Amino acid sequence: GESVGLHLPTLSVQEGDNSIINCAYSNSASDYFIWYKQESGKGPQFIIDIRSNMDKRQGQRVTVLLNKTVKHLSLQIAATQPGDSAVYFCAEMGSSGQAGTALIFGKGTTLSVSS
Amino acid sequence: ETGVTQSPTHLIKTRGQQVTLRCSSQSGHNTVSWYQQALGQGPQFIFQYYREEENGRGNFPPRFSGLQFPNYSSELNVNALELDDSALYLCASSGHRNAEAFFGQGTRLTVV
Repeated sequence: GESVGLHLPTLSVQEGDNSIINCAYSNSASDYFIWYKQESGKGPQFIIDIRSNMDKRQGQRVTVLLNKTVKHLSLQIAATQPGDSAVYFCAEMGSSGQAGTALIFGKGTTLSVSS
Repeated sequence: ETGVTQSPTHLIKTRGQQVTLRCSSQSGHNTVSWYQQALGQGPQFIFQYYREEENGRGNFPPRFSGLQFPNYSSELNVNALELDDSALYLCASSGHRNAEAFFGQGTRLTVV
């Protein structure tokens, strides 16, 4: 079945370091991917998205890389700040299947930034 | 702020009871999806509504049902509550079915 997973459940970095959070997906038909940040007690917050016709997309301090050959996504955060501490989820949206256009989430990576 | 609001923010119910959760979508958004997030897990898709019609459903039993109204706000109803229904229920709205989804802050449901 469809599934999205993250390689590491936790990641600890120092303030100012660059962070890389990885995600593997299994459905090669998926054509849209989103990274979300979720702080304690809040709903997921959209960070950046990428469609399958792209390999890389940059935002403010964040970059998403998509490798369709190995079905891998990564989120890079530059100059990580304490405010970046949260749980990060990748989500895929399939183009077909019972779930239609639903987002399928992985279990998340908890990023802890120490100053 | 995403413009997606959910009510109530917290709720405690007894096993066997029924509950209704509400969501107001972001202005201009006609698609609403509901997700269940158990503690320590990623959100799981329950169902999606597009222009007042159910557009897709995840692996949830029929006692999970929903509605979408002409103003695109939505309700999630859960009957015969079970202890395992305790979770954060999230509503997400988007401008169309394949667009980025914006989430509300969620409703924390506790079933005792």
